[in-house]
Amino acid sequence: GAVVSQHPSRVICKSGTSVKIECRSLDFQATTMFWYRQFPKKSLMLMATSNEGSKATYEQGVEKDKFLINHASLTLSTLTVTSAHPEDSSFYICSASTRKETQYFGPGTRLLVL
Amino acid sequence: AQTVTQSQPEMSVQEAETVTLSCTYDTSESDYYLFWYKQPPSRQMILVIRQEAYKQQNATENRFSVNFQKAAKSFSLKISDSQLGDAAMYFCAYMTGTASKLTFGTGTRLQVTL
Repeated sequence: GAVVSQHPSRVICKSGTSVKIECRSLDFQATTMFWYRQFPKKSLMLMATSNEGSKATYEQGVEKDKFLINHASLTLSTLTVTSAHPEDSSFYICSASTRKETQYFGPGTRLLVL
Repeated sequence: AQTVTQSQPEMSVQEAETVTLSCTYDTSESDYYLFWYKQPPSRQMILVIRQEAYKQQNATENRFSVNFQKAAKSFSLKISDSQLGDAAMYFCAYMTGTASKLTFGTGTRLQVTL
């Protein structure tokens, strides 16, 4: 149980285009979903927290107009990187939570912007 | 703001031996949770062990155990009978009792040798 999927697992796009990443909780309803960014050989940095049906809460320094987060249902959250640029290339990981102290992580999405 | 420090960028252990990974944290909260996550080359985050701050007893999960020193704000992970499959990045993480955001340390890369 407690499986979280992400799609796509890998995406390459041209500079200036937008990319959408989906995060789904497959066998449970997630009241809260989180989006993290991980640079090579670095730690996970929380980008934003989203609760179903409400606006996401972004961490300091994260541009909310650049990284659009939608949490339309209890099993789906999406992260859209708008007008992507090479510096947005990274590994993006989502997690989903039912209980406050438990987060289940997705397998991550590798984004490469050319 | 809470911070999590892992002072060992890399560690190495021989198969079947025991290794301890260090983690210290800084917080003014009294209610919080501490975690160790494993990130293998697949980059899937896997929960290894969790400790509630209000519990004095150290958490244990099979070959994994922690040494939680609340006054010293220290939370080390001991891996006994190390196996080749234990090779991974290990992240220490902190979560306050009131919010579900995780703050990660910088990670320790564990090598397991024959």
